[in-house]
Amino acid sequence: EIVLTQSPATLSLSPGERATLSCRASQSVSSNLAWYQQKPGQTPRLLIYDASNRATGIPARFSGSGSGTDFTLTVSSLEPEDFAVYYCQQRSNWPLTFGGGTKVEIK
Amino acid sequence: QVQLVDSGGGVVQPGGSLRLSCAASGFSFSSYGMYWVRQAPGKGLEWVAFVGSTESYTQYADSVKGRFTISRDNSKNTLYLQMNSLKSDDTAVYFCAKPRGGGAPQPFDSWGQGSLVTVSS
Repeated sequence: EIVLTQSPATLSLSPGERATLSCRASQSVSSNLAWYQQKPGQTPRLLIYDASNRATGIPARFSGSGSGTDFTLTVSSLEPEDFAVYYCQQRSNWPLTFGGGTKVEIK
Repeated sequence: QVQLVDSGGGVVQPGGSLRLSCAASGFSFSSYGMYWVRQAPGKGLEWVAFVGSTESYTQYADSVKGRFTISRDNSKNTLYLQMNSLKSDDTAVYFCAKPRGGGAPQPFDSWGQGSLVTVSS
């Protein structure tokens, strides 16, 4: 099983600041990595697929990078609606696995 | 637009059974493999099961293998999850999820609203 480790667990930032979230895989997943955003009481929303491609309707302030085992999700300038939990997920091997999540909270 | 409506959740005793359903609309259901993902209260996301577009291929998480069965009825545009021998660790919100494409596993671009399953005596 591929283990995805997200860091930090919590990120405390102010609106307008840049957020940088990390996801590290226990073995290479090539570019088969996605990022999701989940707000309290809501379903997850796909932000980024194949490491760096924005999903439909996702604002340009969200960007993804990386390949192999190290990936980054960047939010260039946090909007109030961006404070949420973010998960990475790999689709390279069965079982599909998610990271434990990073909570981006208002400082 | 794509719509996934989850139903069938509830409270069940340990060792009991429950069947979840997910009614799909707004896309060609029979052309997509489909997934179940769960989230325990206050916890992260866990993939549970996958069924191919024609039900000939399935995959399960080790945590549910042998106890859960995923199936589909393409004539009714409905996905199912039969859950047997339920344990307290199975307590979670269960989401059906549609991938963004066919073929190899794809990220999930649409999710049901979730069905809460509580396993408790």
